[in-house]
Amino acid sequence: QQQVKQSPQSLIVQKGGISIINCAYENTAFDYFPWYQQFPGKGPALLIAIRPDVSEKKEGRFTISFNKSAKQFSLHIMDSQPGDSATYFCAAHQGAQKLVFGQGTRLTINP
Amino acid sequence: GAVVSQHPSRVICKSGTSVKIECRSLDFQATTMFWYRQFPKQSLMLMATSNEGSKATYEQGVEKDKFLINHASLTLSTLTVTSAHPEDSSFYICSARSGTTGDTQYFGPGTRLTVL
Repeated sequence: QQQVKQSPQSLIVQKGGISIINCAYENTAFDYFPWYQQFPGKGPALLIAIRPDVSEKKEGRFTISFNKSAKQFSLHIMDSQPGDSATYFCAAHQGAQKLVFGQGTRLTINP
Repeated sequence: GAVVSQHPSRVICKSGTSVKIECRSLDFQATTMFWYRQFPKQSLMLMATSNEGSKATYEQGVEKDKFLINHASLTLSTLTVTSAHPEDSSFYICSARSGTTGDTQYFGPGTRLTVL
């Protein structure tokens, strides 16, 4: 119940395209859903986060779509750029509990 | 955003020695700090959670006598890998959270430990 399932494991997108990464969860008590971006040899950096009381949040080229009834949320990267090539992790937690991470998605943007 | 630093960024040590990794919150007071371990091409694995002034809470399967965690102040937590062995070689990452950062955990840049 504490798992967050992330897909796909890897993704290749052409420059300028839309990258979409999906996550699903079981625990309906989760109330905070962040996305992290990690470059090789670096720590994860917070990209964008959402709470279940909104269905969408947009920051620049990055958008989170949240479907509470389906217990799914996704990250959309518009106009994908080679510099977006990284590993992306979704996560979830409840209150002051620990973060539960998805398995990660390796995104490659081809120039 | 809030900044978390780690030191050292890389360390190589001989088997049997102990290694200390520092994690600092630079511009906020971290009431809670977390230590993760990450293997190549894998997700982050939480090792332990520490609250300032309290004993750390270790995840199941993590040896608390091997991975000593101290959170002595609101800006500093340390992880000491005792009697390190080659299988302890990994990427160790800390994160920090506080009342001012809300639910958000901010991660350090990580420490690459190689045990020969």
